[in-house]
Amino acid sequence: GAVVSQHPSRVICKSGTSVKIECRSLDFQATTMFWYRQFPKQSLMLMATSNEGSKATYEQGVEKDKFLINHASLTLSTLTVTSAHPEDSSFYICSASSLRGWDEQFFGPGTRLTVL
Amino acid sequence: DAKTTQPPSMDCAEGRAANLPCNHSTISGNEYVYWYRQIHSQGPQYIIHGLKNNETNEMASLIITEDRKSSTLILPHATLRDTAVYYCIVGPGANNLFFGTGTRLTVIP
Repeated sequence: GAVVSQHPSRVICKSGTSVKIECRSLDFQATTMFWYRQFPKQSLMLMATSNEGSKATYEQGVEKDKFLINHASLTLSTLTVTSAHPEDSSFYICSASSLRGWDEQFFGPGTRLTVL
Repeated sequence: DAKTTQPPSMDCAEGRAANLPCNHSTISGNEYVYWYRQIHSQGPQYIIHGLKNNETNEMASLIITEDRKSSTLILPHATLRDTAVYYCIVGPGANNLFFGTGTRLTVIP
């Protein structure tokens, strides 16, 4: 199957700083990329959907000015958590999809963010 | 709003078949049934999906009832590495996946 990578896999930062997470589709062109957040012992919650070259669509309750998403190419999307606070500590997972007759969503390995 | 109902947890003996049920009584005609799993602290992994016919691949089989209101994911010979949370998701396509709480499958030696 197709491979999606995330970088970094783990990050620890101080409160008030900004953190950028990269998501790359390694062997296919991703028409759409997704960002999820997962708190401990909970399910994945979709944060936003982005198509290459256009603005991301955020789910209700997700602050677009706090979680900046850039999808500049068909293989790269970035999520920037601005002015991070401890409550933003979570497991952030990206995924990508590509239409191939039937479509499938490929997930990255996730990024563990800890805000001190 | 939850579109699927799954038991919160299940155990399965190693080497035996694991049968994971999912109810999706409000599924629409154009919605697929997707199964993903998530091993601890990893991203979800695609397993299988289907519309109305039963499907099989190298990982699992998907049995969908004739009325499409429920389905069962079958792992034919469970191993310890199959211990994970299994998510049953219904939607019109992979661009519309909303995860529920899933079933935590524990494979017991």
